[in-house]
Amino acid sequence: NAGVTQTPKFQVLKTGQSMTLQCAQDMNHNSMYWYRQDPGMGLRLIYYSASEGTTDKGEVPNGYNVSRLNKREFSLRLESAAPSQTSVYFCASMTGVYSNQPQHFGDGTRLSIL
Amino acid sequence: GQQVMQIPQYQHVQEGEDFTTYCNSSTTLSNIQWYKQRPGGHPVFLIQLVKSGEVKKQKRLTFQFGEAKKNSSLHITATQTTDVGTYFCAGPNNNNDMRFGAGTRLTVKP
Repeated sequence: NAGVTQTPKFQVLKTGQSMTLQCAQDMNHNSMYWYRQDPGMGLRLIYYSASEGTTDKGEVPNGYNVSRLNKREFSLRLESAAPSQTSVYFCASMTGVYSNQPQHFGDGTRLSIL
Repeated sequence: GQQVMQIPQYQHVQEGEDFTTYCNSSTTLSNIQWYKQRPGGHPVFLIQLVKSGEVKKQKRLTFQFGEAKKNSSLHITATQTTDVGTYFCAGPNNNNDMRFGAGTRLTVKP
């Protein structure tokens, strides 16, 4: 049982390049989340999807787009990468729709933008 | 929006000493969750508190939820090197998303 799988694990981009971070969960969870983690800043929510077919902005959505492709998959796209987007990105999922259950996290994608 | 603040940012203890991290919210919370992240790892859920004044224990870890449901604490008794990591609290911003505190990074000297 893999849980939440994120790809790639590491990526280096040049400023202005685009890329998509992939996330898939095999727990039949309804809600999925994208966070970024920077030193001293904790986990900041970028976007979330409370159910298949819906997405909503979190705290720091600027510069990102998301797609809830189906119930299993939730991708995060950087259209024109900037050095300020250098971070560790975590995807998480939760069984329900409301924020009253544990979130399960993937191993993260370490992204560097030069 | 709702803000969750955690103190201290860092804590360095000698093995065997106790450790406490505190979490404060700008609004009343319906629940609060605690997570642990080992160095280089991902956050792992520890516990959820729901009731006003609730206290829960997991071995050497004691979690409390304040009477006003705006603050919480995690206390570790007699720390061990396996307790090293960053501890996060998280509270609901609305029905559908959680906001995390900045975390308390614990280091333990053997």
